[in-house]
Amino acid sequence: AQSVTQLDSQVPVFEEAPVELRCNYSSSVSVYLFWYVQYPNQGLQLLLKYLSGSTLVKGINGFEAEFNKSQTSFHLRKPSVHISDTAEYFCAVTRRRGGSNYKLTFGKGTLLTVNP
Amino acid sequence: DGGITQSPKYLFRKEGQNVTLSCEQNLNHDAMYWYRQDPGQGLRLIYYSQIVNDFQKGDIAEGYSVSREKKESFPLTVTSAQKNPTAFYLCASSVNTEAFFGQGTRLTVV
Repeated sequence: AQSVTQLDSQVPVFEEAPVELRCNYSSSVSVYLFWYVQYPNQGLQLLLKYLSGSTLVKGINGFEAEFNKSQTSFHLRKPSVHISDTAEYFCAVTRRRGGSNYKLTFGKGTLLTVNP
Repeated sequence: DGGITQSPKYLFRKEGQNVTLSCEQNLNHDAMYWYRQDPGQGLRLIYYSQIVNDFQKGDIAEGYSVSREKKESFPLTVTSAQKNPTAFYLCASSVNTEAFFGQGTRLTVV
């Protein structure tokens, strides 16, 4: 089984500051890793994903994440945040497998609040 | 536009009543999922289906039931056996390592 730990439940930052949202995972098998964003009362939108290859993954809205296998981490970063980045962010993992079934295991989420 | 449609957006029900949440997709995806979201708890998997007429329990299936009679549709019934049904429910479908989510249904039991 897989598990995901998001180390901060809330992260307040000022506009134009850098931010890092931390995610660690646990799994006995190879996994795919994801970051999703959720705006209030909305569904989830994929920010980025790591499948294989380069450990630095770039996503939408200027976000990027780095896969670190030795530390089993997949931290999300943005060099300069905007007010519109205020949302809840979820890290997720699924085991590598064939077919179209990708059961995701989610962390508990990190609420990013960007203040003016 | 292709996507996942959940309805209704808000749902109020009395205790002891069954209620069915609708999820329809026009993405032609085989796999579909139901997640429950509670504040501070992340998303937890209720049921999932890989093909029509087949579905499996997730981590918190007790008190819920599903059907998958058509590829496009995966309705979730919250039964009276679910002890704490008030939550935000999200439906998803997946293909090629990416999951797509609906806008959710907020169920409140009064």
